[in-house]
Amino acid sequence: SAVISQKPSRDICQRGTSLTIQCQVDSQVTMMFWYRQQPGQSLTLIATANQGSEATYESGFVIDKFPISRPNLTFSTLTVSNMSPEDSSIYLCSVRAGGGGTGELFFGEGSRLTVL
Amino acid sequence: GENVEQHPSTLSVQEGDSAVIKCTYSDSASNYFPWYKQELGKGPQLIIDIRSNVGEKKDQRIAVTLNKTAKHFSLHITETQPEDSAVYFCAASRGYGNKLVFGAGTILRVKS
Repeated sequence: SAVISQKPSRDICQRGTSLTIQCQVDSQVTMMFWYRQQPGQSLTLIATANQGSEATYESGFVIDKFPISRPNLTFSTLTVSNMSPEDSSIYLCSVRAGGGGTGELFFGEGSRLTVL
Repeated sequence: GENVEQHPSTLSVQEGDSAVIKCTYSDSASNYFPWYKQELGKGPQLIIDIRSNVGEKKDQRIAVTLNKTAKHFSLHITETQPEDSAVYFCAASRGYGNKLVFGAGTILRVKS
């Protein structure tokens, strides 16, 4: 299994500002994933973060808006830049347990952002 | 790409009754189908999964069925309890460990 801690758990932000979300895992993992869950919606993959390389972004998401860092095998950050009310969502960090990145997908508890 | 549709969007049942949530998928190459439960204020948690080489899988009060021909799979919860109240997501992928595409979610309310 994997225990994932996210900070902040929630925040209220002003339009035009940026916020960085931190994700800490209790074990070393190859890949970390960032998802967005808009109010009442499903989970959408934003990007996959590998240690030592640039993140891979899904269609509709760009690095300028969602820069990601992955400095080591247990930590990642996602920044939501130049926020607008449409960015109000829950942002979830997730990892696959087990070596090789093919195990069960575990999620953090999420960071709920409200943009005014 | 893959598209997963999930129904119903909300489901209310009486405690002790059964609940069924259905999903259809579009990519015939998908062969891994997990179900996640998300309680209020928490991240989704895997509750059961099925691979395409079997048609049904059970774990206590929870079961999942898969019809590959029709490209649909369902979650069955028997003897529902108030603690089953949550949002349930289905998902599909081409292989265990590959990118998951999630359904829109079902809010299940179990009334006591």
